[in-house]
Amino acid sequence: KAGVTQTPRYLIKTRGQQVTLSCSPISGHRSVSWYQQTPGQGLQFLFEYFSETQRNKGNFPGRFSGRQFSNSRSEMNVSTLELGDSALYLCASSLGVLNEQFFGPGTRLTVL
Amino acid sequence: DQQVKQNSPSLSVQEGRISILNCDYTNSMFDYFLWYKKYPAEGPTFLISISSIKDKNEDGRFTVFLNKSAKHLSLHIVPSQPGDSAVYFCAALQGGSEKLVFGKGTKLTVNP
Repeated sequence: KAGVTQTPRYLIKTRGQQVTLSCSPISGHRSVSWYQQTPGQGLQFLFEYFSETQRNKGNFPGRFSGRQFSNSRSEMNVSTLELGDSALYLCASSLGVLNEQFFGPGTRLTVL
Repeated sequence: DQQVKQNSPSLSVQEGRISILNCDYTNSMFDYFLWYKKYPAEGPTFLISISSIKDKNEDGRFTVFLNKSAKHLSLHIVPSQPGDSAVYFCAALQGGSEKLVFGKGTKLTVNP
């Protein structure tokens, strides 16, 4: 069974731009969560989608948004990029129970 | 406000000895705890978990201990192996919430 895939793996943007990251969950998984990992803050929860609905949201500004499609694939968008948005963005999928999440390799975003 | 704290950013042990990674939490509503291991350029992988109704869970070389009164959990790796060198994240889940709260991680180095 294929694991969680994230595209692109690496991305370089400049301040003010917007970016869209993509996540394909494990087949059959309906829950997709997004996390931001930075050296200073560790792993921070962004939001979680289940069956195309956002079930929970972390403490991030409205510039961070996401969506989930009917095939459970999810996208995360960050608008008006700031230098501090440079981070590893991780996606995780599960059948619906968060104690059984499987993570993708992440997208490394660098904002210049 | 960091609800899950891993106060040691790094730990170095000799191969064959015990590795003890610590984690403290502040939210008494957390009722499920997990440990993830992360290698560079990969997403975190689930290692072991424990429910708040237990005080110990063992899986091979890995044992997690939970002290609810102290709001403290620890991961023991015995014997430690060089392949265990990775960043270890402690995470907590509150029943009814769909959001995992992670610590900042501890980088474990096992020296041959």
